[in-house]
Amino acid sequence: GDSVTQMEGPVTLSEEAFLTINCTYTATGYPSLFWYVQYPGEGLQLLLKATKADDKGSNKGFEATYRKETTSFHLEKGSVQVSDSAVYFCALSGAGSYQLTFGKGTKLSVIP
Amino acid sequence: SQTIHQWPATLVQPVGSPLSLECTVEGTSNPNLYWYRQAAGRGLQLLFYSVGIGQISSEVPQNLSASRPQDRQFILSSKKLLLSDSGFYLCAWSVRGRDTGELFFGEGSRLTVL
Repeated sequence: GDSVTQMEGPVTLSEEAFLTINCTYTATGYPSLFWYVQYPGEGLQLLLKATKADDKGSNKGFEATYRKETTSFHLEKGSVQVSDSAVYFCALSGAGSYQLTFGKGTKLSVIP
Repeated sequence: SQTIHQWPATLVQPVGSPLSLECTVEGTSNPNLYWYRQAAGRGLQLLFYSVGIGQISSEVPQNLSASRPQDRQFILSSKKLLLSDSGFYLCAWSVRGRDTGELFFGEGSRLTVL
């Protein structure tokens, strides 16, 4: 079945540092890929998405590129802020499916 | 615009007591509806999903059940809670017929079973 593997946390960075959270997936066909963010005590919000190979999703300074050859969708941000502290989930939706398969989440803490 | 609400936000219940969590969606029709559970260190687990009134699919065997009495209402229930039912429960919806998989989540309900 479909699966998503993302790097274990927690990740602690200083403000303005570069962020990478790795995400790889296993799926048949051509899934859509997502990054969701969960701020403390809240539900999940869609951060960005990509629906086909080589697409780049971007939002709020975050970016991720759909790499079919490496089955990856790594999340990056050039300069993190304290307000980026949250849990980040990588997810996929199989072709023709309306369900999401999530990774276990990576907790990011940004310190001033 | 579409909104999703779930309640209660926080619940502390003794083992063996019943449970009812409610979720409603506004501003859209015929949504797909979902219940997820988020347990500490275990990520998100899909519990139930529904593509229409009275249509419920269960992803995991457990003592929880779900119902969809109205198009935009989704209820998670249990007759007798277990300690292992503690967690953060998230309701979500997606647009019917769109397979991009984008989900819109509620604020969550934190359940503690003592």
